[in-house]
Amino acid sequence: SAVISQKPSRDICQRGTSLTIQCQVDSQVTMMFWYRQQPGQSLTLIATANQGSEATYESGFVIDKFPISRPNLTFSTLTVSNLSPEDSSIYLCSVEGWTGDRFQETQYFGPGTRLLVL
Amino acid sequence: SQQGEEDPQALSIQEGENATMNCSYKTSINNLQWYRQNSGRGLVHLILIRSNEREKHSGRLRVTLDTSKKSSSLLITASRAADTASYFCATALSSNTGKLIFGQGTTLQVKP
Repeated sequence: SAVISQKPSRDICQRGTSLTIQCQVDSQVTMMFWYRQQPGQSLTLIATANQGSEATYESGFVIDKFPISRPNLTFSTLTVSNLSPEDSSIYLCSVEGWTGDRFQETQYFGPGTRLLVL
Repeated sequence: SQQGEEDPQALSIQEGENATMNCSYKTSINNLQWYRQNSGRGLVHLILIRSNEREKHSGRLRVTLDTSKKSSSLLITASRAADTASYFCATALSSNTGKLIFGQGTTLQVKP
């Protein structure tokens, strides 16, 4: 399985500021995703991070609020902009798909970034 | 509305007992995956079951899938205190975009 790391693991931010979260995978993968988990809730998909092109956002999520970059097949960033207390959540990246010449059907998740907005 | 709904929302059992969690979904799927999450940390993948499979085992875990009823169950046998966690089912749709839709989860407490 892919080894996924996220930075930072946690942060406390002031409202109105932004936080950029990094997701690094130890091998090239075709698909990368970003999820949000609000306190006491399940996971909700924010967007699919597309390599070399704009991310594909789910209903209720917009690029201005959650800009995403994916410059290559092993790395992606999610920025949460103009923070408000409602953005306090755990943000997780995940990967799936082709890894070299092997197709990985299982979706693996990073350890998450816990964000608290004051 | 949610694609995946789980029940029960919370389950409390004694160590050694079996725990069963159920997941229902609404649309056609490519596969269904079960995950465990300890205290708001990252998700640990447990089992993936494909739409053409009916049952899979992994150690003390048994997963069933009934596509006619659009439901799945996760059975943990001989539970241990370390099994205390939240368990989520997630469905990958037949469109095969890779997107997962998560159920609301079951919080399992195993008392020693």
